[in-house]
Amino acid sequence: DAKTTQPPSMDCAEGRAANLPCNHSTISGNEYVYWYRQIHSQGPQYIIHGLKNNETNEMASLIITEDRKSSTLILPHATLRDTAVYYCIVRPGGGGSQGNLIFGKGTKLSVKP
Amino acid sequence: NAGVMQNPRHLVRRRGQEARLRCSPMKGHSHVYWYRQLPEEGLKFMVYLQKENIIDESGMPKERFSAEFPKEGPSILRIQQVVRGDSAAYFCASSAQIALSRGLGDEQFFGPGTRLTVL
Repeated sequence: DAKTTQPPSMDCAEGRAANLPCNHSTISGNEYVYWYRQIHSQGPQYIIHGLKNNETNEMASLIITEDRKSSTLILPHATLRDTAVYYCIVRPGGGGSQGNLIFGKGTKLSVKP
Repeated sequence: NAGVMQNPRHLVRRRGQEARLRCSPMKGHSHVYWYRQLPEEGLKFMVYLQKENIIDESGMPKERFSAEFPKEGPSILRIQQVVRGDSAAYFCASSAQIALSRGLGDEQFFGPGTRLTVL
């Protein structure tokens, strides 16, 4: 079972920031927070991951609370093409035999014009 | 730099036939994962392979399903004697050699999937 809890759906206006929350209250010290998204019928796309510090890349920012029990993925300027199901996943870093991803139901983000 | 390649993209089989799904990982990646997505459901892990080795097959059905990742060539997911319940999208992902500190380099990159339809 997934170790994360996400709202089933969210709406966002085009051009505005999309803030997607994720609760992972049972996260272990060696577990990272990963975010993927799946645009309809396509393969999942890696977005970002982090351990305890906030992270930013060309796609998004990841804010992790100090106690690491929750995080927020931020898409700074959402476009219609960001409409997708967003998955928050916790897993040990370094892959290996624990490397498989456990997908929950995710959050279906709808970006509206 | 080509991404993860999967073929065929669509595969139709009749009940009892065999399905062979192929996955070519990204260049330089030696880890391959297979996932299955049933209609209207989330992705489920099936099997994790490195070159010539199955590392974790805990998510793969015990019967009719097998996977390999030979020294040369793509990874193959093979489903024998397909049934209608095997109809799904099958995704392959690959990752590079694991890193030990920040987990960098082990992100999984997914292919476009193979959509299997069993008639």
